[in-house]
Amino acid sequence: AQSVAQPEDQVNVAEGNPLTVKCTYSVSGNPYLFWYVQYPNRGLQFLLKYITGDNLVKGSYGFEAEFNKSQTSFHLKKPSALVSDSALYFCAARRAAGNKLTFGGGTRVLVKP
Amino acid sequence: EAQVTQNPRYLITVTGKKLTVTCSQNMNHEYMSWYRQDPGLGLRQIYYSMNVEVTDKGDVPEGYKVSRKEKRNFPLILESPSPNQTSLYFCASGYVRNYEQYFGPGTRLTVT
Repeated sequence: AQSVAQPEDQVNVAEGNPLTVKCTYSVSGNPYLFWYVQYPNRGLQFLLKYITGDNLVKGSYGFEAEFNKSQTSFHLKKPSALVSDSALYFCAARRAAGNKLTFGGGTRVLVKP
Repeated sequence: EAQVTQNPRYLITVTGKKLTVTCSQNMNHEYMSWYRQDPGLGLRQIYYSMNVEVTDKGDVPEGYKVSRKEKRNFPLILESPSPNQTSLYFCASGYVRNYEQYFGPGTRLTVT
């Protein structure tokens, strides 16, 4: 069975500092990996994905993520966080040959001015 | 405007009273899916559909039914709701070839 772990329930960071949200996965075969963001009282919004190719993936709003196959990780990063980045972030994974999508438990990001 | 719509947005019901939550998308997406979101558990997939008349179970299908008779609609049916189905439900859709999904605004269901 596939699984996704987000080890931190909450990440606090000062505005302007780098932001990292951690994600590790367990998927048989080649993984497809995703990050989504959820703002209060809203549905999820797609940020970025890794399907194949370059391990560093760039997405919306200045976010990027690095696929590390040996560590089975897909950490989300932003060089300089904004207060408006405060939200709930979800990592998700699926097998390349499958159709089920598994989400992590979510990490709440709080960016303080 | 491209969007996924869900109705109702809020619903309070009693145990055993059948209900349907509708989901519709106007992007001609092949793939549609239902998730429930519970604190600390993230999103868990209930059912998904790869195209019309093609549906499959996700990780938590018990107590739910779905149908995909038209490409744009993917209703979620609770034949006999129970309190443990109290949750926030999201419908999502996407192109099969693109893998990313577009989410609806959510339906908050309370079963008493």
